[in-house]
Amino acid sequence: DIQMTQSPSSLSASVGDRVTITCRTSQSISKYLNWYQQKPGKAPKLLIYDASSLQSGVPSRFSGSGSGTDFTLTISSLQPEDFATYFCQQSYGSPYTFGQGTRLEIK
Amino acid sequence: QITLKESGPTLVKPTQTLTLTCTFSGFSLSTSGVGVGWIRQSPGKALEWLALIYWDDDKRYSPSLRSRLTITKDTSKNQVVLTMTNMDPVDTATYYCVHRLNGASPGTVDYWGQGTLVTVSS
Repeated sequence: DIQMTQSPSSLSASVGDRVTITCRTSQSISKYLNWYQQKPGKAPKLLIYDASSLQSGVPSRFSGSGSGTDFTLTISSLQPEDFATYFCQQSYGSPYTFGQGTRLEIK
Repeated sequence: QITLKESGPTLVKPTQTLTLTCTFSGFSLSTSGVGVGWIRQSPGKALEWLALIYWDDDKRYSPSLRSRLTITKDTSKNQVVLTMTNMDPVDTATYYCVHRLNGASPGTVDYWGQGTLVTVSS
């Protein structure tokens, strides 16, 4: 299985901050990396697919980059509704493994 | 509007077989490119991809769970069924039915059901 290493595991930030979350994979996955947001008691929501493609309806303050084994999710200016847990997922090969999550908290 | 909803038992005993049904609307599983799958999330919050079935009945399984999983579809009822044999307490999790983003790689999910919590306990 492809191993996913997400960092940091938790992060405190303020409204308006620029935030970056990273995801590293145990082998090259080309561009096949997705990012999801999950709020307590809710199902995850797709934000970014194929490393940098913004899912329909997702605000443009979210962006993704990277290829190969190193990827980043950036939120350009944090909004109150962005405080949640973020997961990366590789969609290169089965099983489509997830990172352990980054909990983004209000400072 | 795409919606998916899981149904099935909330409590199963160890060694029993779990059967979960996903009933969906807003798309057809007979349309080329469409896929419906299952992902679970343990109380420790880890997400685990389980299985996927395509419009043409092609099926994909998590290699580590392949021997225990079966995924089927009933296109006329807009349903997908997942069975998991030999349940164990470590299988306690919220099970999500998901819709694969059409045109994207197989593991990419754009719609999720609300999830159903399954507890395995005697």
